[in-house]
Amino acid sequence: AQKITQTQPGMFVQEKEAVTLDCTYDTSDPSYGLFWYKQPSSGEMIFLIYQGSYDQQNATEGRYSLNFQKARKSANLVISASQLGDSAMYFCAMRGGSQGNLIFGKGTKLSVKP
Amino acid sequence: NAGVTQTPKFRVLKTGQSMTLLCAQDMNHEYMYWYRQDPGMGLRLIHYSVGEGTTAKGEVPDGYNVSRLKKQNFLLGLESAAPSQTSVYFCASSVAGGEAYEQYFGPGTRLTVT
Repeated sequence: AQKITQTQPGMFVQEKEAVTLDCTYDTSDPSYGLFWYKQPSSGEMIFLIYQGSYDQQNATEGRYSLNFQKARKSANLVISASQLGDSAMYFCAMRGGSQGNLIFGKGTKLSVKP
Repeated sequence: NAGVTQTPKFRVLKTGQSMTLLCAQDMNHEYMYWYRQDPGMGLRLIHYSVGEGTTAKGEVPDGYNVSRLKKQNFLLGLESAAPSQTSVYFCASSVAGGEAYEQYFGPGTRLTVT
């Protein structure tokens, strides 16, 4: 069975500093996708970044990068130069298998301090 | 292009009442999903559809029914609401079920059952 584990219920970071949010996954599928979503207090789910299991390079999207270590089954999100607007819940998710649905972790609440 | 919309945004039901949540997408996506999000949890799959006229059960289907009579619409029904169904419900859609395809989420429906 597929599983996503996020071990950090909450994180604090100083504005303008970088922060890493941890995500480990478990799957027996040879092909899968890893996603990060941001959920601000307003509640919507905002797609941030995607990493495919066969991608050789780590994904980057602006201030977001994904540190993908396949052998360790980890897909950590790195946010550089944190901003106050980055304060939100962050969910790691995996997609694979015939259903195509996302399997979510429990999330990490990030708080950016001024 | 509205993306994925959900109706209603908020609803309060009494135990035993019924209701239908409507999800609509204008992106001509084949796959559609219903998730629920409970406090301290990531999203969990209720039901999904891989095309018009098809539906299938997800991880937590009990107490819910769905229908996909038109490609753009995916309805989630609660026949006899229970307090355990108090949750935030998200609809999502994607072009296909492959692991690389992004899922686009609606804004969510906050349901309270008293």
